Amino acid sequence: QKEVEQDPGPLSVPEGAIVSLNCTYSNSAFQYFMWYRQYSRKGPELLMYTYSSGNKEDGRFTAQVDKSSKYISLFIRDSQPSDSATYLCAMSLGGSNYKLTFGKGTLLTVNP
Amino acid sequence: EAQVTQNPRYLITVTGKKLTVTCSQNMNHEYMSWYRQDPGLGLRQIYYSMNVEVTDKGDVPEGYKVSRKEKRNFPLILESPSPNQTSLYFCASRRDRAGANVLTFGAGSRLTVL
Repeated sequence: QKEVEQDPGPLSVPEGAIVSLNCTYSNSAFQYFMWYRQYSRKGPELLMYTYSSGNKEDGRFTAQVDKSSKYISLFIRDSQPSDSATYLCAMSLGGSNYKLTFGKGTLLTVNP
Repeated sequence: EAQVTQNPRYLITVTGKKLTVTCSQNMNHEYMSWYRQDPGLGLRQIYYSMNVEVTDKGDVPEGYKVSRKEKRNFPLILESPSPNQTSLYFCASRRDRAGANVLTFGAGSRLTVL
């Protein structure tokens, strides 16, 4: 079983739709959970991060972590064409362990 | 502007011809890392450096070398490139966000080895 699993998509939605992106993981020691967004021909950029379980909201974006199920989600409300990108989940143990383990990414297209 | 700068952005080379991809950050970060990104495989760590003169292998170090003589620079060296090293390479440095290991990435270097 891979350490982090992410559906690669592609996912195509109409403008204004609610988008749900998900990752599962196998290492219960992960403490920090991040979502990166990567536009075509660009480097990944941090969208949101959360510590342990719970929800975090930032504008149209909500990140959820369920450590009991080893499952994390990113919700995008009122999706816009500018949200079209690849979304990568990433996780780390925290503390002095700086390594990030990434999912393979989900390609999202929001159609006007 | 705080950033990670990689050069070259695009490179086509031939098997066996040594090359270096440079990486520089202006944020005074101690931790830096190199990743490669391949379709279907995602981002995989090649090497990382906790500080000057401290480097260590990541998940896919074979065929690569790194050095960290200055805090701001972390070059990736391919001594004898092979076609399986054709990939998109990213350099990143770490900023501490309340304990989270958040990476700032460069724009990427697309390497083709013929």
